[in-house]
Amino acid sequence: GESVGLHLPTLSVQEGDNSIINCAYSNSASDYFIWYKQESGKGPQFIIDIRSNMDKRQGQRVTVLLNKTVKHLSLQIAATQPGDSAVYFCAERPANQGAQKLVFGQGTRLTINP
Amino acid sequence: DSGVTQTPKHLITATGQRVTLRCSPRSGDLSVYWYQQSLDQGLQFLIQYYNGEERAKGNILERFSAQQFPDLHSELNLSSLELGDSALYFCASSLSGLSATQYFGPGTRLLVL
Repeated sequence: GESVGLHLPTLSVQEGDNSIINCAYSNSASDYFIWYKQESGKGPQFIIDIRSNMDKRQGQRVTVLLNKTVKHLSLQIAATQPGDSAVYFCAERPANQGAQKLVFGQGTRLTINP
Repeated sequence: DSGVTQTPKHLITATGQRVTLRCSPRSGDLSVYWYQQSLDQGLQFLIQYYNGEERAKGNILERFSAQQFPDLHSELNLSSLELGDSALYFCASSLSGLSATQYFGPGTRLLVL
């Protein structure tokens, strides 16, 4: 399937430190990428997006980096807070499939330690 | 709060039954998407509607169907339910079919016993 089976990677970070969450995407024709945050019992929440003609985009405390050569996406969260604890998903939009569906990665569980 | 609403929040039913999940998109959004999230398969795209018409299909079983009404709300119908259909079902919406930023609702948790 497009979304691989779940052995959810985990990342623990000390509060106040920076965190980097990585994602390898599958389709070299994907033209749009999104990071979502999902807290327990809630739906995925949009964090930041980036188009394939960019390699970096910054938001508030978050930065997304895109390396199309190796099909790699990363999300950097600066000065982490307890509320950043969640599962983070990257999603890609395959431009060659004629639809707007998103293909999600497996997710990374981020835990912020006080 | 994304502005996407889903009802019910929780649903418990038995195998063989049929249920309907409802979604109201954000105000102004024309596209609605349905996703299934289970423990072993992650977030899987099921189907997309745009302004009342089916636009794309993903891994949606024949026992499942959906529609989008003139007021743009959408319903996902799940029939002949099996234990393996237990999952979180999310609806997302976007401004248009060309706009990829999808905003997700809170989901419906379905438990089939």
